[in-house]
Amino acid sequence: NAGVTQTPKFQVLKTGQSMTLQCAQDMNHEYMSWYRQDPGMGLRLIHYSVGAGITDQGEVPNGYNVSRSTTEDFPLRLLSAAPSQTSVYFCASSLQSKPTYEQYFGPGTRLTVT
Amino acid sequence: AQSVTQPDIHITVSEGASLELRCNYSYGATPYLFWYVQSPGQGLQLLLKYFSGDTLVQGIKGFEAEFKRSQSSFNLRKPSVHWSDAAEYFCAVAGSGNTGKLIFGQGTTLQVKP
Repeated sequence: NAGVTQTPKFQVLKTGQSMTLQCAQDMNHEYMSWYRQDPGMGLRLIHYSVGAGITDQGEVPNGYNVSRSTTEDFPLRLLSAAPSQTSVYFCASSLQSKPTYEQYFGPGTRLTVT
Repeated sequence: AQSVTQPDIHITVSEGASLELRCNYSYGATPYLFWYVQSPGQGLQLLLKYFSGDTLVQGIKGFEAEFKRSQSSFNLRKPSVHWSDAAEYFCAVAGSGNTGKLIFGQGTTLQVKP
């Protein structure tokens, strides 16, 4: 049981480049989400999904796209990277979206946009 | 609007000393509250949670937290800190509805002196 895995661990992009941050879980969790972590701001929700084929925006969705074609995977796409997207990105999953279900976090992807 | 405030950005304690990390929340209804720990370079791990019932909740690694509705607080405590407790600690409240959203505080970095 690998839990929540994220790739890559580190990435450097130039402004305007695109890339996809991968997230996978092997716990058959319905709910998955993406957060970004910035110094002094805690974690902020970017997008979330309550099941395959269903996604919705979180608090800071601009500049990011998501899709959920399978239960296991929830990739985050940056269409045209900007320096403001320099951050640490965390993927999380839980059995369901209700707050009574524990959320499990991946190890994070540290992204730098120059 | 819902929010979480952690007034202390950085705390230093001696090994063996007691610890209290402060957390204040703003939420209209009965909140679902969480404390997470993030060790350097790692993802977030759930320490403990409060949903209802006994206002003193026990967590992993010897941590406990007390929910005080009158003070809108959910402070984290540990009687005797170990060097391995050095990490960043996040308080969070579940967002309204069943979106799975967690609203995080800014985080408190704990340094442990030998």
